[in-house]
Amino acid sequence: KNEVEQSPQNLTAQEGEFITINCSYSVGISALHWLQQHPGGGIVSLFMLSSGKKKHGRLIATINIQEKHSSLHITASHPRDSAVYICAVRGNYQLIWGAGTKLIIKP
Amino acid sequence: GAGVSQSPSNKVTEKGKDVELRCDPISGHTALYWYRQSLGQGLEFLIYFQGNSAPDKSGLPSDRFSAERTGGSVSTLTIQRTQQEDSAVYLCASSRTGNTEAFFGQGTRLTVV
Repeated sequence: KNEVEQSPQNLTAQEGEFITINCSYSVGISALHWLQQHPGGGIVSLFMLSSGKKKHGRLIATINIQEKHSSLHITASHPRDSAVYICAVRGNYQLIWGAGTKLIIKP
Repeated sequence: GAGVSQSPSNKVTEKGKDVELRCDPISGHTALYWYRQSLGQGLEFLIYFQGNSAPDKSGLPSDRFSAERTGGSVSTLTIQRTQQEDSAVYLCASSRTGNTEAFFGQGTRLTVV
């Protein structure tokens, strides 16, 4: 079993829909990261969480430490949100990566 | 600089040659990470630096791979006698300390032909 599991692996939605991507992990962590990777592009850090909830624009990230679960939400989704969203948890040093969720938002 | 800078952005090399990839982290960031992403695969951890020392080298796939960091700043990842399976995007990230948000460079796309 992978230490970091993301769901869904692929998600296609219509512009304007509310998007939720989930991340579950099985190891003790000091922080959890949500990152975004556009096709052919680099990786951008969206959030780093150790508890509670963070919001940036249309993006919201939550984490439940007891349940070892985090969610990334996108409100009023837009085609430019199409990307791979990656959950990564930080142990001692390295980041342990989920496999990513490929999101496609259709106009 | 304003962000993490990696060079070159693209590198095509012949099998068996050595290559050197460079990462210039954000000024003042003590932690530096190297990852690679093979085509269609997830991100694979290679090595972590705290200052000039590397407490975790567990991800280096073979002894052909080495990395160093000097002056607590620039890092170079060296791959000797490159093989086709080394083809990947090599990503560098830095963070202010080992437990703060990591910022990524754009990566070096390495193609071994």
